[in-house]
Amino acid sequence: SQQGEEDPQALSIQEGENATMNCSYKTSINNLQWYRQNSGRGLVHLILIRSNEREKHSGRLRVTLDTSKKSSSLLITASRAADTASYFCATDTQGGSEKLVFGKGTKLTVNP
Amino acid sequence: EAQVTQNPRYLITVTGKKLTVTCSQNMNHEYMSWYRQDPGLGLRQIYYSMNVEVTDKGDVPEGYKVSRKEKRNFPLILESPSPNQTSLYFCASSSLRGKRQETQYFGPGTRLLVL
Repeated sequence: SQQGEEDPQALSIQEGENATMNCSYKTSINNLQWYRQNSGRGLVHLILIRSNEREKHSGRLRVTLDTSKKSSSLLITASRAADTASYFCATDTQGGSEKLVFGKGTKLTVNP
Repeated sequence: EAQVTQNPRYLITVTGKKLTVTCSQNMNHEYMSWYRQDPGLGLRQIYYSMNVEVTDKGDVPEGYKVSRKEKRNFPLILESPSPNQTSLYFCASSSLRGKRQETQYFGPGTRLLVL
């Protein structure tokens, strides 16, 4: 069952620019997480934001959560070629089963 | 070093030949899970386990079995593999906050080709 949907599906930018990816979901959540995946490799956790939080920062990453709109955004500032990867949001549904449901991801390409 | 390990990393097999992909974590996590990743379909959960001897179906459990006899290990068993199980498989683990997962730690992946 699909919960989080990332937008856009693909994003291409130049080094130094900011990259913004969005995630929309359908039902109320306990928390929302963002993960990164380099091609063919395991996912790496970036940030977890809880339903009672609105914004979180980690280095060049900024995540916002708007529970009224059921959406989240991931902003990567001053992007680098090494940020090239796929980014996934994952939601943990309130009152639902004990599953973390992943979206299909945004493929980010940062051109040097 | 905290990690999730999977073996094998690559496997080519033939239809019907039983296989097991092992998964082990050294973080004393209660929660473990298996996913498959296919182009255009994203990451889909196969099975998960909240603790030893507690397993439950994910979204795509058909054709797979799991067991959780020890906290650290969560093997994925394909009793009779078929070509539609050709995929990239990931094992993951996390601690629990109540019944909810915290950060999931992923293994490096197992690329399976079923001929």
